[in-house]
Amino acid sequence: DGGITQSPKYLFRKEGQNVTLSCEQNLNHDAMYWYRQDPGQGLRLIYYSQIVNDFQKGDIAEGYSVSREKKESFPLTVTSAQKNPTAFYLCASSLRLLAELFPGTDTQYFGPGTRLTVL
Amino acid sequence: DAKTTQPTSMDCAEGRAANLPCNHSTISGNEYVYWYRQIHSQGPQYIIHGLKNNETNEMASLIITEDRKSSTLILPHATLRDTAVYYCIVRGGSSNTGKLIFGQGTTLQVKP
Repeated sequence: DGGITQSPKYLFRKEGQNVTLSCEQNLNHDAMYWYRQDPGQGLRLIYYSQIVNDFQKGDIAEGYSVSREKKESFPLTVTSAQKNPTAFYLCASSLRLLAELFPGTDTQYFGPGTRLTVL
Repeated sequence: DAKTTQPTSMDCAEGRAANLPCNHSTISGNEYVYWYRQIHSQGPQYIIHGLKNNETNEMASLIITEDRKSSTLILPHATLRDTAVYYCIVRGGSSNTGKLIFGQGTTLQVKP
């Protein structure tokens, strides 16, 4: 089946520890994204990647890091510098970052999410 | 990206059509209207998108007014599994990050 997978579904971390969230897609999409969702809130963009070996900060990148060494993988590391890491983390991908001449190719598809709790 | 306005909540009887409105009066000519939904504790699910013509797929229909200042998502035969928060998003144009801006959305409760 084609799609986006995130693991683990639930993650618990002690204060001061770094933790890495996995995101994999087999849709052959170039662009990938990480969002954070807090209870009752909309999604906020953490990082995005337009293509392999390239990524850009989103609106709330502080305390987070990413890598994009392979097209299908975009792991997110939540570092100890992130002051309020407890949240629901969502990964998404799209064929292209921007649709430009190809309408619909920027449609984002989401994974099931990882719920991170800092103890 | 243009801002959208949606009702906070709506109810619908199971088997009936659910019509979810969205206002986007500041939409520009090259911006698209997207609809997503999020069932509790799951990732958002893409439903449909359109520019100015009405669109239909296996999940829903999207009706966009001629002036493009508002739209309606129609779920033709709502089921209990359609209970979710529905988000109307306008994007495209000068956006250079590709990010989706999710507002508060409409909580649709489908009742037996």
